Amino acid sequence: NAGVMQNPRHLVRRRGQEARLRCSPMKGHSHVYWYRQLPEEGLKFMVYLQKENIIDESGMPKERFSAEFPKEGPSILRIQQVVRGDSAAYFCASSPAVNMNTEAFFGQGTRLTVV
Amino acid sequence: KQEVTQIPAALSVPEGENLVLNCSFTDSAIYNLQWFRQDPGKGLTSLLLIQSSQREQTSGRLNASLDKSSGRSTLYIAASQPGDSATYLCAVGEYGNKLVFGAGTILRVKS
Repeated sequence: NAGVMQNPRHLVRRRGQEARLRCSPMKGHSHVYWYRQLPEEGLKFMVYLQKENIIDESGMPKERFSAEFPKEGPSILRIQQVVRGDSAAYFCASSPAVNMNTEAFFGQGTRLTVV
Repeated sequence: KQEVTQIPAALSVPEGENLVLNCSFTDSAIYNLQWFRQDPGKGLTSLLLIQSSQREQTSGRLNASLDKSSGRSTLYIAASQPGDSATYLCAVGEYGNKLVFGAGTILRVKS
């Protein structure tokens, strides 16, 4: 059973381009979370999704950022018109259920660099 | 709004020493608390999860305690080794399993 798979591991985009980050949860996990780790800062929650539904997007910037978790395929975090301040490591986590005994399993992250 | 603080921010110890990492949180209405390890440029590895109804969890040389009423958790590492060098993150689980992270403690174990 592979862990949480994120790709690409590294992504370089010029200012104004779009960035698409992919996350395939662990097998059997239907809950996906995206976090962002800015340089020299801690991880911050962005969005929580279940299949085809956004459950909590309270940590998402209001503009340019969107996320989806379709019925088939990976979860996608999309950043339109990237700016230098979007440079960060983006981590995806998945869990099989939502209860106090459930661990979150993290992927290796996608490191986005905006030049 | 939940805030998580980790002390110390960095710690350097000689190999073999026992050590304690501290985590405090402001809102005691938590689902659980997880300790993670992060190596430079890598993802997060889950070390221990303590449910809100539990007081401690142990795994090998690691022991984590939770005092919900005082908003504190500690991670105890016994007989530290150079391979333990990493950043240790404390994360409080809220409803929906959303995690609120501390800034981390950077641990260096010298051989």
